[in-house]
Amino acid sequence: DTGVSQDPRHKITKRGQNVTFRCDPISEHNRLYWYRQTLGQGPEFLTYFQNEAQLEKSRLLSDRFSAERPKGSFSTLEIQRTEQGDSAMYLCASSLRGTVQETQYFGPGTRLLVL
Amino acid sequence: AQTVTQSQPEMSVQEAETVTLSCTYDTSENNYYLFWYKQPPSRQMILVIRQEAYKQQNATENRFSVNFQKAAKSFSLKISDSQLGDTAMYFCAFMKHNVRGYNNNDMRFGAGTRLTVKP
Repeated sequence: DTGVSQDPRHKITKRGQNVTFRCDPISEHNRLYWYRQTLGQGPEFLTYFQNEAQLEKSRLLSDRFSAERPKGSFSTLEIQRTEQGDSAMYLCASSLRGTVQETQYFGPGTRLLVL
Repeated sequence: AQTVTQSQPEMSVQEAETVTLSCTYDTSENNYYLFWYKQPPSRQMILVIRQEAYKQQNATENRFSVNFQKAAKSFSLKISDSQLGDTAMYFCAFMKHNVRGYNNNDMRFGAGTRLTVKP
């Protein structure tokens, strides 16, 4: 399968714990995005990488959130000291810079539940 | 800031009929892209159709077509010959066209329309 993959697909954690999610983009894509989607809403942008450089972060991304893309391939999103308000679907998308429209292709998401 | 509005939280259509989903957006940009994404229940989001703002011709993809009215900032999706597999959340999305290449390409999404196709 050459699509965007995310791991884990589901995560249940207790408030205060740290969690880490992984995203593997489509192999030739140099841009990678993280979004958060709460129930009944559209995705909201969190952060964006071009290769290994994190070029923008949304104000939604508090200090408890950190994202990395160390070698310009896969990316991780870590949430420290989770809160119940962090419960959401975390979506990863990738695109290829320079292509027409730079269409973003989405992964299946990681659903996080904070108890 | 760009905003995207989908005014129909839920819609239903009979199998084989035609349905139109509405989307309006607000922007001061002149060059941008518009997308419709489909998110089936418990499945990942997939691209349905896309439109460049500089193109006057409406995009079509098989049973899916759009009515793009740039002056009115309207971008509706028409699904013809609806099928049971079209049941999903549909999201309208807006993305600026960044000429320089390094600017953010984040998309702004509407809240979605839940479409149910009835047999």
